[in-house]
Amino acid sequence: QVQLQESGPGLVRPSETLSLTCNVSGGSISRSNYYWGWVRQSPGKGLEWIGGIYYTGTTYSNPSLKSRVTISVDTSKNHFSLKLRSVTAADTAVYYCARPGITGTTHWFDPWGQGILVTVSS
Amino acid sequence: DIVMTQSPDSLAVSLGERATINCKSSQSLLYSSNNKHYLAWYLQKPGQPPKLLIYWASTRESGVPDRFSGSGSGTDFTLTINSLQAEDVAVYYCQQYYSTPITFGQGTRLEIK
Repeated sequence: QVQLQESGPGLVRPSETLSLTCNVSGGSISRSNYYWGWVRQSPGKGLEWIGGIYYTGTTYSNPSLKSRVTISVDTSKNHFSLKLRSVTAADTAVYYCARPGITGTTHWFDPWGQGILVTVSS
Repeated sequence: DIVMTQSPDSLAVSLGERATINCKSSQSLLYSSNNKHYLAWYLQKPGQPPKLLIYWASTRESGVPDRFSGSGSGTDFTLTINSLQAEDVAVYYCQQYYSTPITFGQGTRLEIK
């Protein structure tokens, strides 16, 4: 049974870079055909899809965030990561990593990690 | 972007009664090549991640009680919860995966009357 767990700082200063990692257990990123994804949830904007990455490193992301987002994968560690640059208070949210339910660039998500609250504040 | 609009924003239903949540997309979610609607439903309880209930608009995820059902076509979809149980209190979301960016509805809060 695949499980995902987010990790990273819970507090980031404005204008700095948010960095999170999603550790995957119970399954191999490199032996899947999934675009492993990131979704965030803030009180103001609800659930927002950030983007996803294939084990080969191919990525795609939400155009609303694309200029600030980098998603990467490390198959040797069976994890993938998110970097969001130049953060503001509007980036305060619970960040989830999730596995798609089907292959391809569009999909539902199941399962999800437990989520990590990231607060942007000085 | 496809905009997903849920209604109502909140509702209160008595135990044992039926709850109905609607989701409308700004464009059709039907792929004619496979005749599937690219729509999923989730529930979310406080402090927990969303949990998948339904995909392909009407296919129940394994382990989801059969009192949950999804229906609809084109741009209009419905999640129905028959015989409401106390543990069904949650926020419910629809999500389209017809195209990127993947988008979600704003959520519907379901409470017990």
